Order: sequence, then structure tokens, then C-alpha cells
Amino acid sequence: QKEVEQDPGPLSVPEGAIVSLNCTYSNSAFQYFMWYRQYSRKGPELLMYTYSSGNKEDGRFTAQVDKSSKYISLFIRDSQPSDSATYLCAMSSTNNNDMRFGAGTRLTVKP
Amino acid sequence: GAVVSQHPSWVICKSGTSVKIECRSLDFQATTMFWYRQFPKQSLMLMATSNEGSKATYEQGVEKDKFLINHASLTLSTLTVTSAHPEDSSFYICSARPDSSGANVLTFGAGSRLTVL
Repeated sequence: QKEVEQDPGPLSVPEGAIVSLNCTYSNSAFQYFMWYRQYSRKGPELLMYTYSSGNKEDGRFTAQVDKSSKYISLFIRDSQPSDSATYLCAMSSTNNNDMRFGAGTRLTVKP
Repeated sequence: GAVVSQHPSWVICKSGTSVKIECRSLDFQATTMFWYRQFPKQSLMLMATSNEGSKATYEQGVEKDKFLINHASLTLSTLTVTSAHPEDSSFYICSARPDSSGANVLTFGAGSRLTVL
């Protein structure tokens, strides 16, 4: 079993749809939970991160962490074609060298 | 916010030559930087952890003599692909986090695409 599981998709939705992206993990020591967006041929861009459990909202994006279930989610409201990218979840403990990444989910938002 | 600059963004070289890729933290100091390799439609693969003033720590299966890492200052790490071969063609990405940050959250460079002919 991988430490971080993420469905690679691809996921295709119409413009304006609500998108739900998810990851599960097995290491209970993880405290930081991040979502990165990566456009083709570019480096990952940090969208948002959450420390421990709870929700965090930034514009159209909402991140949720449920540590009891070891499950994290990213919701994108009113999705736009410009949101088409690969979304990577990542998580780490307080140790500097133990960040783990999901496989990434390829999202396409069709006009 | 934290910005990581990577150069060059793309490079083409002949087989047998060496290529150097630079990773700079523009507005923060980073004792530790990370180098990743990414194949098409795959996730990031950690190659090595670059430590300022000391030797890099390589992941299992990564040849340290092939991928030379130097972290000479708190804002610069370099990855040199020595005697490059076509199988070294890939997308290389670096990342770092500010030493002053309490959060273990990484900022990535834009990546460097290496093509070895």
C-alpha cells in the first residue's frame, strides 16, 4: 500500500461544475496537507495548505482534512477551463525530509 | 510569498556532455533544497536532498556520481547531470522552503526540461 493514494483520473467536467479531488493516506504522523496545481511542462504551484484537521477556503477553492479517516479533499467551485491541470496532493510531518506526493489527478474543464 | 527560480527552463545537449541546472531561492534562505525528476504523466520522484555546506543525501537508486549536487550557499543549489545520455532526458524540478518558516510546505521551481540527443 502506498503512503498516499490519489486517483490519477483523468477527470473531465463541464465549465461551472463543482470538482472534488481526494487523497487518502496511511501515515498518522502527517500534519501538513498541501494541494499543488501543475500545468503541463511547469513546476507545481502551491494552491493551499492546511495544518492538522479542518477546512480552509481561498476563493473558489476549499481544502478539507479529516485526520480520523486519513482523507483529504480539494473542492473547486464554478470550475473554469483555466483550472485544467494536474492536481497533486502532498503531505508531511514536521520532519523536513518526509514529504510524500500523490500521483496527481489530471483535470479537464470543458467550455 | 516564497519564490524559487530555476534555470535553464529547457536545455538540449549531446550525449556524453554535462549539464548544470541551477535552483535559487529569490527572497528567502534555504538550508535544504530538494531535487525531483518527473516523467511524462507521472508524479514527482525525489532524487536527492541538497544540504548547504554538506553532502547531498541521495534516494535509493539515484547515482550520486551521475547527478552531482552542490549547495554552496543558502540561496543556491545546483544539479549537474554528468556524461548525459538519452535516458537522462526528463523534467527536473527543485523545491525549497524558507528556513524561517515554521510550516513544512515546499515551494517549487518552474522546472528544467533536459533533452539529450
